[in-house]
Amino acid sequence: AQSVTQPDIHITVSEGASLELRCNYSYGATPYLFWYVQSPGQGLQLLLKYFSGDTLVQGIKGFEAEFKRSQSSFNLRKPSVHWSDAAEYFCAVGLGGTSYGKLTFGQGTILTVHP
Amino acid sequence: DGGITQSPKYLFRKEGQNVTLSCEQNLNHDAMYWYRQDPGQGLRLIYYSQIVNDFQKGDIAEGYSVSREKKESFPLTVTSAQKNPTAFYLCASRAHNEGADTQYFGPGTRLTVL
Repeated sequence: AQSVTQPDIHITVSEGASLELRCNYSYGATPYLFWYVQSPGQGLQLLLKYFSGDTLVQGIKGFEAEFKRSQSSFNLRKPSVHWSDAAEYFCAVGLGGTSYGKLTFGQGTILTVHP
Repeated sequence: DGGITQSPKYLFRKEGQNVTLSCEQNLNHDAMYWYRQDPGQGLRLIYYSQIVNDFQKGDIAEGYSVSREKKESFPLTVTSAQKNPTAFYLCASRAHNEGADTQYFGPGTRLTVL
């Protein structure tokens, strides 16, 4: 079965610093890849997604992610973090085909931003 | 505005009671999903439905039930058989013709068993 690993449970950065959140997946083929963000007590908002083509994808709020097939990774980056980016971030994998659109989520990374 | 609504936002239940969580979408999406979220565990799939009058169990369906009588609605019932129902519940929907597995989420319902 496919799995998604977010190695960092909690990350703290200073406002204005760069950010990289890690995501690794385990699956034989190239899955569909997603990053979602969740503010406390809220639903999940889609930041970006990768299906095929250019391995560097741009998302909302200045985020980008790079798919690296050789490393089975899909890390999320932002060059300069704002205090409003503090939230929990989830990486997710979809298999397409006959999987009925189901997603497998990582355990999440909580981002704290210091002023 | 198009979107997914969940109600209520907060729900309290006494042990032994069934309770139903509402999920409605006006996005004209075909597929709908229910997830349970516990701290540090990500999201786990409870049930999903691809079309009206059809649904399938997810990874943690025990103690839950659903119905899909209308395309717009996918209510989740948490039954008294669910051993540990206190959690945050999220509903999502997906269009069959958009980017394969892209799901959009509602704002969630926090259920607390007293």
